[in-house]
Amino acid sequence: QKEVEQDPGPLSVPEGAIVSLNCTYSNSAFQYFMWYRQYSRKGPELLMYTYSSGNKEDGRFTAQVDKSSKYISLFIRDSQPSDSATYLCAMSNYGGSQGNLIFGKGTKLSVKP
Amino acid sequence: GAVVSQHPSWVICKSGTSVKIECRSLDFQATTMFWYRQFPKQSLMLMATSNEGSKATYEQGVEKDKFLINHASLTLSTLTVTSAHPEDSSFYICSARDVGMGGGYGYTFGSGTRLTVV
Repeated sequence: QKEVEQDPGPLSVPEGAIVSLNCTYSNSAFQYFMWYRQYSRKGPELLMYTYSSGNKEDGRFTAQVDKSSKYISLFIRDSQPSDSATYLCAMSNYGGSQGNLIFGKGTKLSVKP
Repeated sequence: GAVVSQHPSWVICKSGTSVKIECRSLDFQATTMFWYRQFPKQSLMLMATSNEGSKATYEQGVEKDKFLINHASLTLSTLTVTSAHPEDSSFYICSARDVGMGGGYGYTFGSGTRLTVV
């Protein structure tokens, strides 16, 4: 079993739809959870981050973490064509000054006008 | 916010030659930088962790003699692909951790380098 599982899609939705992206993980030591957005041929950019369990909202984006189920989600409301990108979940246990991220495969999202 | 500059953004080289990729943290000091490789439709795979002033730590299966990493200052890390072959063609991305951001979130990525070996 891989440490982080993410459905690669592709996912195609009409403009204005609510998008739900998810990841599951197996390592219960993960404490920091992030969502990155990656446009084609670009590096990932941090979209949302959450510590431990709970919800976090930022504009049209909501991140949820359920540590008991080892499941994280990213919701995009009122999706726009500009949201079309690959979304990568990432997580870390961050035990000190160093630490690296474990990524999901990414879900490719296409928002049709 | 924190910015990581990565150059070049793309490079084409002949088989057998070496290519150097630079990664700079522009407005923060990065004691640790990470180098990733990404194949089409695949996730980022960590190749090595670069520590300022010490040897890099390579992930299992990554040849340290082929992928030379140098982290000579707190703002610069380089990855040199030596004796490149077509199978080394990939998208290489660096990441630096801004410890000032706190917690485990402060990872900023470069814009990536697309390497094509012909």
